[in-house]
Amino acid sequence: DGGITQSPKYLFRKEGQNVTLSCEQNLNHDAMYWYRQDPGQGLRLIYYSQIVNDFQKGDIAEGYSVSREKKESFPLTVTSAQKNPTAFYLCASSAHTRGPNTEAFFGQGTRLTVV
Amino acid sequence: AQRVTQPEKLLSVFKGAPVELKCNYSYSGSPELFWYVQYSRQRLQLLLRHISRESIKGFTADLNKGETSFHLKKPFAQEEDSAMYYCALRGEGSNYKLTFGKGTLLTVNP
Repeated sequence: DGGITQSPKYLFRKEGQNVTLSCEQNLNHDAMYWYRQDPGQGLRLIYYSQIVNDFQKGDIAEGYSVSREKKESFPLTVTSAQKNPTAFYLCASSAHTRGPNTEAFFGQGTRLTVV
Repeated sequence: AQRVTQPEKLLSVFKGAPVELKCNYSYSGSPELFWYVQYSRQRLQLLLRHISRESIKGFTADLNKGETSFHLKKPFAQEEDSAMYYCALRGEGSNYKLTFGKGTLLTVNP
Protein backbone atom coordinates (compact mmCIF):
# COMPACT_ATOMS: atom_id res chain seq x y z
CA ASP A 1 0.00 0.00 0.00
CA GLY A 2 1.83 3.09 -1.24
CA GLY A 3 1.63 6.40 0.50
CA ILE A 4 3.02 8.86 2.96
CA THR A 5 2.73 8.24 6.68
CA GLN A 6 3.12 10.64 9.55
CA SER A 7 3.38 9.57 13.14
CA PRO A 8 2.16 10.05 15.72
CA LYS A 9 -1.24 11.57 14.98
CA TYR A 10 -1.29 13.46 18.28
CA LEU A 11 1.73 14.52 20.30
CA PHE A 12 1.96 16.28 23.62
CA ARG A 13 5.17 17.76 24.97
CA LYS A 14 6.22 19.96 27.82
CA GLU A 15 7.52 23.41 27.08
CA GLY A 16 11.29 23.46 26.61
CA GLN A 17 11.56 19.92 25.24
CA ASN A 18 12.60 19.08 21.72
CA VAL A 19 10.27 16.75 19.82
CA THR A 20 10.68 14.88 16.54
CA LEU A 21 7.85 14.24 14.09
CA SER A 22 8.15 11.30 11.74
CA CYS A 23 7.40 11.28 8.01
CA GLU A 24 7.91 8.22 5.81
CA GLN A 25 6.99 7.65 2.17
CA ASN A 26 7.18 4.62 -0.10
CA LEU A 27 6.31 6.46 -3.30
CA ASN A 28 9.95 6.67 -4.43
CA HIS A 29 9.70 10.45 -4.39
CA ASP A 30 12.85 12.56 -4.34
CA ALA A 31 11.25 15.73 -2.95
CA MET A 32 9.78 16.02 0.54
CA TYR A 33 8.28 18.97 2.42
CA TRP A 34 7.19 20.03 5.88
CA TYR A 35 4.38 22.54 6.40
CA ARG A 36 2.73 24.09 9.36
CA GLN A 37 -1.02 24.65 9.14
CA ASP A 38 -2.61 27.25 11.41
CA PRO A 39 -6.17 28.62 11.16
CA GLY A 40 -6.27 31.56 8.79
CA GLN A 41 -2.60 31.11 7.81
CA GLY A 42 -2.88 28.36 5.24
CA LEU A 43 0.14 26.08 4.78
CA ARG A 44 3.47 27.66 5.54
CA LEU A 45 6.63 25.93 4.36
CA ILE A 46 9.11 25.02 7.09
CA TYR A 47 11.73 22.98 5.21
CA TYR A 48 11.95 21.11 1.96
CA SER A 49 14.33 18.60 0.46
CA GLN A 50 14.81 18.00 -3.24
CA ILE A 51 17.12 15.03 -2.85
CA VAL A 52 18.73 12.84 -0.20
CA ASN A 53 21.32 14.59 2.00
CA ASP A 54 20.14 18.01 0.90
CA PHE A 55 17.47 20.36 2.27
CA GLN A 56 16.60 24.05 2.24
CA LYS A 57 14.87 26.39 4.63
CA GLY A 58 11.34 27.41 3.83
CA ASP A 59 9.56 30.54 4.97
CA ILE A 60 9.36 29.76 8.69
CA ALA A 61 12.40 27.57 9.46
CA GLU A 62 13.41 29.24 12.72
CA GLY A 63 13.15 26.86 15.66
CA TYR A 64 12.98 23.76 13.47
CA SER A 65 15.52 21.30 12.11
CA VAL A 66 15.38 18.41 9.64
CA SER A 67 17.51 15.64 8.22
CA ARG A 68 17.32 13.66 4.99
CA GLU A 69 19.58 10.66 5.40
CA LYS A 70 17.26 8.31 3.52
CA LYS A 71 15.06 8.88 0.51
CA GLU A 72 12.02 7.53 2.37
CA SER A 73 12.33 9.57 5.52
CA PHE A 74 12.27 13.29 6.38
CA PRO A 75 11.93 13.78 10.16
CA LEU A 76 11.21 17.22 11.59
CA THR A 77 12.49 18.30 15.01
CA VAL A 78 10.65 21.07 16.77
CA THR A 79 13.20 22.60 19.11
CA SER A 80 12.74 24.59 22.29
CA ALA A 81 13.70 27.67 20.28
CA GLN A 82 10.39 27.58 18.41
CA LYS A 83 8.32 30.25 20.16
CA ASN A 84 4.88 28.94 19.27
CA PRO A 85 5.16 25.22 18.48
CA THR A 86 1.58 24.17 19.08
CA ALA A 87 0.20 23.54 15.59
CA PHE A 88 -0.84 21.01 12.97
CA TYR A 89 2.14 19.76 10.93
CA LEU A 90 1.84 18.31 7.44
CA CYS A 91 4.42 16.36 5.50
CA ALA A 92 4.31 15.92 1.72
CA SER A 93 6.32 14.30 -1.03
CA SER A 94 6.52 14.58 -4.80
CA ALA A 95 8.61 13.66 -7.77
CA HIS A 96 11.41 16.13 -8.42
CA THR A 97 10.30 16.88 -11.94
CA ARG A 98 7.64 19.02 -13.59
CA GLY A 99 4.64 17.93 -15.58
CA PRO A 100 1.95 15.25 -15.27
CA ASN A 101 1.86 12.97 -12.21
CA THR A 102 4.24 15.13 -10.23
CA GLU A 103 1.80 16.51 -7.71
CA ALA A 104 2.53 16.45 -4.00
CA PHE A 105 0.96 13.79 -1.81
CA PHE A 106 0.22 14.63 1.80
CA GLY A 107 0.27 12.74 5.05
CA GLN A 108 -2.58 12.88 7.53
CA GLY A 109 -0.72 15.28 9.75
CA THR A 110 0.52 15.44 13.33
CA ARG A 111 -1.13 17.71 15.85
CA LEU A 112 1.48 18.89 18.32
CA THR A 113 0.43 20.43 21.60
CA VAL A 114 3.01 21.96 23.89
CA VAL A 115 1.92 22.50 27.46
CA ALA B 1 10.41 35.08 -4.34
CA GLN B 2 7.17 33.27 -4.99
CA ARG B 3 3.85 34.20 -3.48
CA VAL B 4 0.26 33.00 -3.75
CA THR B 5 -2.67 35.18 -2.75
CA GLN B 6 -6.21 33.99 -2.15
CA PRO B 7 -8.16 37.12 -1.31
CA GLU B 8 -11.25 35.41 0.13
CA LYS B 9 -11.00 33.53 3.42
CA LEU B 10 -14.65 32.51 3.26
CA LEU B 11 -17.05 32.02 0.38
CA SER B 12 -20.66 31.00 0.78
CA VAL B 13 -22.99 30.14 -2.10
CA PHE B 14 -26.26 28.31 -2.60
CA LYS B 15 -26.50 24.94 -4.29
CA GLY B 16 -26.71 25.34 -8.06
CA ALA B 17 -25.08 28.76 -8.08
CA PRO B 18 -21.81 29.43 -9.90
CA VAL B 19 -18.69 29.62 -7.81
CA GLU B 20 -15.31 31.24 -8.42
CA LEU B 21 -12.39 31.00 -6.03
CA LYS B 22 -9.73 33.55 -6.80
CA CYS B 23 -5.99 32.96 -6.87
CA ASN B 24 -3.24 35.38 -7.87
CA TYR B 25 0.44 34.61 -7.88
CA SER B 26 3.81 36.28 -8.04
CA TYR B 27 6.73 34.48 -9.67
CA SER B 28 9.31 35.68 -12.13
CA GLY B 29 9.81 32.44 -14.04
CA SER B 30 7.51 29.76 -15.43
CA PRO B 31 5.41 28.40 -12.58
CA GLU B 32 3.28 25.32 -12.19
CA LEU B 33 -0.08 26.10 -10.61
CA PHE B 34 -2.28 23.72 -8.65
CA TRP B 35 -5.53 23.65 -6.74
CA TYR B 36 -5.64 21.40 -3.69
CA VAL B 37 -8.76 20.59 -1.67
CA GLN B 38 -9.22 19.45 1.91
CA TYR B 39 -12.58 17.93 2.77
CA SER B 40 -13.57 17.60 6.40
CA ARG B 41 -11.41 14.99 8.19
CA GLN B 42 -9.58 14.05 4.99
CA ARG B 43 -6.08 14.57 3.69
CA LEU B 44 -5.17 17.48 1.51
CA GLN B 45 -5.40 16.24 -2.06
CA LEU B 46 -4.85 17.52 -5.56
CA LEU B 47 -7.94 18.82 -7.33
CA LEU B 48 -6.38 19.95 -10.58
CA ARG B 49 -3.24 21.41 -12.14
CA HIS B 50 -2.87 23.99 -14.90
CA ILE B 51 -0.70 21.81 -17.09
CA SER B 52 -3.43 19.23 -17.56
CA ARG B 53 -6.17 21.68 -18.56
CA GLU B 54 -8.71 19.20 -17.22
CA SER B 55 -12.07 19.41 -15.49
CA ILE B 56 -12.32 17.58 -12.20
CA LYS B 57 -15.66 17.27 -10.36
CA GLY B 58 -16.93 20.02 -12.64
CA PHE B 59 -14.17 22.44 -11.63
CA THR B 60 -11.89 24.17 -14.12
CA ALA B 61 -9.06 26.64 -13.78
CA ASP B 62 -7.26 28.60 -16.46
CA LEU B 63 -3.80 30.03 -16.04
CA ASN B 64 -3.78 33.69 -17.10
CA LYS B 65 -0.14 34.73 -17.28
CA GLY B 66 -1.01 38.33 -18.13
CA GLU B 67 -3.07 38.76 -14.99
CA THR B 68 -0.97 36.22 -13.02
CA SER B 69 -4.16 34.48 -11.96
CA PHE B 70 -5.40 30.90 -11.69
CA HIS B 71 -9.01 31.20 -10.58
CA LEU B 72 -11.05 28.07 -9.87
CA LYS B 73 -14.55 27.93 -11.30
CA LYS B 74 -17.59 25.70 -11.27
CA PRO B 75 -20.85 26.60 -12.99
CA PHE B 76 -23.20 24.82 -10.57
CA ALA B 77 -22.02 24.27 -7.01
CA GLN B 78 -23.00 21.15 -5.07
CA GLU B 79 -23.22 20.67 -1.30
CA GLU B 80 -20.40 18.11 -1.45
CA ASP B 81 -18.09 20.84 -2.79
CA SER B 82 -17.98 22.38 0.68
CA ALA B 83 -14.33 22.22 1.69
CA MET B 84 -11.13 24.21 2.14
CA TYR B 85 -9.46 25.07 -1.17
CA TYR B 86 -5.80 25.99 -1.53
CA CYS B 87 -4.05 27.42 -4.55
CA ALA B 88 -0.40 26.44 -4.85
CA LEU B 89 2.60 27.36 -6.99
CA ARG B 90 5.69 25.33 -7.70
CA GLY B 91 8.77 27.04 -8.99
CA GLU B 92 11.59 25.64 -11.07
CA GLY B 93 15.22 24.74 -10.59
CA SER B 94 16.48 25.86 -7.19
CA ASN B 95 12.99 27.30 -6.50
CA TYR B 96 11.28 23.92 -6.84
CA LYS B 97 9.45 24.44 -3.53
CA LEU B 98 5.65 24.30 -3.37
CA THR B 99 4.09 27.48 -1.97
CA PHE B 100 0.47 27.68 -0.85
CA GLY B 101 -2.02 30.46 -0.43
CA LYS B 102 -3.93 30.90 2.83
CA GLY B 103 -6.92 29.03 1.53
CA THR B 104 -10.61 29.73 0.95
CA LEU B 105 -13.30 27.92 2.89
CA LEU B 106 -16.18 27.24 0.54
CA THR B 107 -19.60 26.54 1.98
CA VAL B 108 -22.39 25.44 -0.33
CA ASN B 109 -25.77 25.89 1.31
CA PRO B 110 -28.82 23.77 0.41
